[in-house]
Amino acid sequence: DAKTTQPTSMDCAEGRAANLPCNHSTISGNEYVYWYRQIHSQGPQYIIHGLKNNETNEMASLIITEDRKSSTLILPHATLRDTAVYYCIVRPLYNFNKFYFGSGTKLNVKP
Amino acid sequence: DTGVSQDPRHKITKRGQNVTFRCDPISEHNRLYWYRQTLGQGPEFLTYFQNEAQLEKSRLLSDRFSAERPKGSFSTLEIQRTEQGDSAMYLCASSFGEVKNIQYFGAGTRLSVL
Repeated sequence: DAKTTQPTSMDCAEGRAANLPCNHSTISGNEYVYWYRQIHSQGPQYIIHGLKNNETNEMASLIITEDRKSSTLILPHATLRDTAVYYCIVRPLYNFNKFYFGSGTKLNVKP
Repeated sequence: DTGVSQDPRHKITKRGQNVTFRCDPISEHNRLYWYRQTLGQGPEFLTYFQNEAQLEKSRLLSDRFSAERPKGSFSTLEIQRTEQGDSAMYLCASSFGEVKNIQYFGAGTRLSVL
């Protein structure tokens, strides 16, 4: 399974865009990229996922590079409630079984 | 609230005691997962059910751990003869089993073994 590398922590000013990078240089063609976040003392929350194309939903945008070796999660207008640990996960297309979470990026949104 | 319920939210026990946790998944979800999370780390996969069948177990799931999902509905995770190293957050997730397989997580059960 492809591994991911994320910065340990990042800061972002409230109201600004938060751009969280993820490196997955060993990703293969049939592996999805998922993003989850975990707010303190809660379970992980699904944000977005993609395979090749960029994706956008009500929570965030996911930008995947053309070679698929890295991706960026964008929170367009970060709020204090977006302070959380963000996990980038790579999952094979037909392996439904498990996600490898890694240690994630702690995003601190500051007033 | 994702619709996945876990009970209890917190459990304090003495070393050597047995504990059991319950997970109620989203009703139409046929897949159910258990994860363990220790402080400062991401969740780690323990085991997975499709309906009532336990299809995969991690090497983290020692012989003291057992999970069941009778009738493919709720699931229980039992830890026998608890050890201090079992102290962690135990998370349950469920999914519909489609290709995108979004897993929805409960709030977890925090276990403290004294």
